[in-house]
Amino acid sequence: AQSVTQLDSHVSVSEGTPVLLRCNYSSSYSPSLFWYVQHPNKGLQLLLKYTSAATLVKGINGFEAEFKKSETSFHLTKPSAHMSDAAEYFCVVSDSGSTLGRLYFGRGTQLTVWP
Amino acid sequence: NAGVTQTPKFQVLKTGQSMTLQCAQDMNHNSMYWYRQDPGMGLRLIYYSASEGTTDKGEVPNGYNVSRLNKREFSLRLESAAPSQTSVYFCASRLTLSKTEAFFGQGTRLTVV
Repeated sequence: AQSVTQLDSHVSVSEGTPVLLRCNYSSSYSPSLFWYVQHPNKGLQLLLKYTSAATLVKGINGFEAEFKKSETSFHLTKPSAHMSDAAEYFCVVSDSGSTLGRLYFGRGTQLTVWP
Repeated sequence: NAGVTQTPKFQVLKTGQSMTLQCAQDMNHNSMYWYRQDPGMGLRLIYYSASEGTTDKGEVPNGYNVSRLNKREFSLRLESAAPSQTSVYFCASRLTLSKTEAFFGQGTRLTVV
C-alpha cells in the first residue's frame, strides 16, 4: 500500500534561515514523488517532482528535494527562507502499480516565516 | 490556457439540498480527480476517473456521486448535503497515470448549514 507521512505539521523559521520539510513515503512500486505548495485560499501549485531521473530535484523559488530510496524519504529544503514562502506544503506519492492514477497526499506542513 | 476550471467558487447549502460541482480541463488530460480538504487532514480523494468512461471510489466516497461526462468534464454531485460535507473541494487533472504531475483548480468552498 502507498502512503505518505509528513513528519511535522508545523514548521517555523526566521527569514533568511534554512527550511527543511520532512516527508517519508511507502510504495510497493517505483514511485513518483511531488511537492505542492498552497498559499492561503488558493489552489495547489507544483513545486517540484521526482520521476526516477536525478535524485536531487530542483524546483521553483529556490526549493529542492532529494530522493533517498534507502531511507524512503523525499525531504524539501531551501537554503534561505523568504516571507513569501509562508504557506502549506504537501508531499505526494504516485506509483505505477495496481492503483494507477491515484495520488496519495500527506497531511501537510504549515510553514511560518518570521521577520 | 485556462487549465482546470471549477464552478462555483463558493456555495452555501441547507441540509438535505443537492448540488453538482462542475470541473473542466482544457489540457487533454486522461485522468481527473475530486478531493476534499479539511483542516489537519490534508487532501482526501473522493473519486477519480483514470480515463474517459471509468470512475473509481477513493478514500471518502460516501455521500457523493460522480460523472465523467466526456474527456474534459468531471462533475461531483451531493445528493443530500450534510454538515459533515462542509469542506473545500478541489478538482485535479493529470495527463498520464504514473509520472506526470496533477494540475489543480482553485477550489470550491462549500458550507452546509
